[in-house]
Amino acid sequence: AQTVTQSQPEMSVQEAETVTLSCTYDTSESNYYLFWYKQPPSRQMILVIRQEAYKQQNATENRFSVNFQKAAKSFSLKISDSQLGDTAMYFCACETSGSRLTFGEGTQLTVNP
Amino acid sequence: DSGVTQTPKHLITATGQRVTLRCSPRSGDLSVYWYQQSLDQGLQFLIQYYNGEERAKGNILERFSAQQFPDLHSELNLSSLELGDSALYFCASSVAYRFETQYFGPGTRLLVL
Repeated sequence: AQTVTQSQPEMSVQEAETVTLSCTYDTSESNYYLFWYKQPPSRQMILVIRQEAYKQQNATENRFSVNFQKAAKSFSLKISDSQLGDTAMYFCACETSGSRLTFGEGTQLTVNP
Repeated sequence: DSGVTQTPKHLITATGQRVTLRCSPRSGDLSVYWYQQSLDQGLQFLIQYYNGEERAKGNILERFSAQQFPDLHSELNLSSLELGDSALYFCASSVAYRFETQYFGPGTRLLVL
């Protein structure tokens, strides 16, 4: 079974600055996908970014990028030029051959004006 | 808007009762997943259906059951409800049965009194 750990329960950042959210995972499988989802106050789960483990290149989506360190089993999310709308709970998740998503505990990010 | 719809949005019921949560996946998606989000247990995978067949099972209680119909919509049935079943129940869908991004619906908030 896989596990996902987010060690930062809360973080805050000033608008327009950069912030990095940490995530570590553990799985015995060689093929897996990693995701970051955000959950704003509306409670909707919104996909932020996806990384396939077989890809060496780090995924990027506009202001969002990841630092995928496969050997260290680390998958951090960098948000550049933070905006007020980025305020949300961020969840790291792992999917292996079992198809289910295993989520971390979440990091509450607050962007301050 | 993810394209996944869930009804109802809110549900308030009493202990011992039975409720049915409904989910319609995105057009073209064959897989449906159910997740439970509670304060004490975080986000947990319950069950997955793919093209009408049960594909994977997680921490789903025996009092809970689900099915996927020929039109691919899914229902999650919760019976003999207990206070601890109060949670946000998400449905997600994806094109294939694994290694595809799961898109989440807005969730159904269940409150058991």
